[in-house]
Amino acid sequence: QSVLTQPPSASGTPGQRVTISCSGSSSNIGSNYVYWYQQFPGTAPKLLIYRNNQRPSGVPDRFSGSKSGTSASLAISGLRSEDEADYYCAAWDDSLSGPVFGGGTKLTVL
Amino acid sequence: QVQLQESGPRLVKPSETLSLTCTVSGGSISNYYWSWIRQPPGKGLEWIGYISYSGTTNYNPSLKSRVTMSLHTSMSQFYLRLRSVTAADTAVYYCARQNCGGDCYLDYWGQGILVTVSS
Repeated sequence: QSVLTQPPSASGTPGQRVTISCSGSSSNIGSNYVYWYQQFPGTAPKLLIYRNNQRPSGVPDRFSGSKSGTSASLAISGLRSEDEADYYCAAWDDSLSGPVFGGGTKLTVL
Repeated sequence: QVQLQESGPRLVKPSETLSLTCTVSGGSISNYYWSWIRQPPGKGLEWIGYISYSGTTNYNPSLKSRVTMSLHTSMSQFYLRLRSVTAADTAVYYCARQNCGGDCYLDYWGQGILVTVSS
């Protein structure tokens, strides 16, 4: 069972806006930044969002992140077929002194 | 561009020790922390622990009694040893750079190596 809670699946049609939620606690999301990773089958996770809402260079601005209290969200606008992947949220946990992850959300583009 | 590559045996017998190496290229191993993360087939990610460039370690309490991490700075490598493995340790093992500058996050990952525990 993962420390952070994400819905197991999400879906949308091309062009739509989709959001993925991530819920944690005061020891992780509530007191630290949130990060999002994108993972395609058979490949390593790729950093998509860092420090709640910052995008590494090369990540399209269709991807955005937000955080409020002990919850966070990843939004994908203008959905494309190539966005079909697994998405994981992560945050540093003060109790663990290490990162904790969500269980992952499988995004399907219909 | 920093690159990481995991290597080691892909099949380990139950009760034996899993040993993996992560080789870092395109950047210095100094001034960063280095983590191991694993992902059982079809499941989510689990942080195993990290080692700093100076050799300080921190392990996930759930695995602490069985884990040892070390590094060889001049070879740009760091290592994972997991003792007394069982089938539950079957997973894709990733090494990653932990970027700690005010906050800590995993920015570069290796491609991962599937390690199966089976007799």
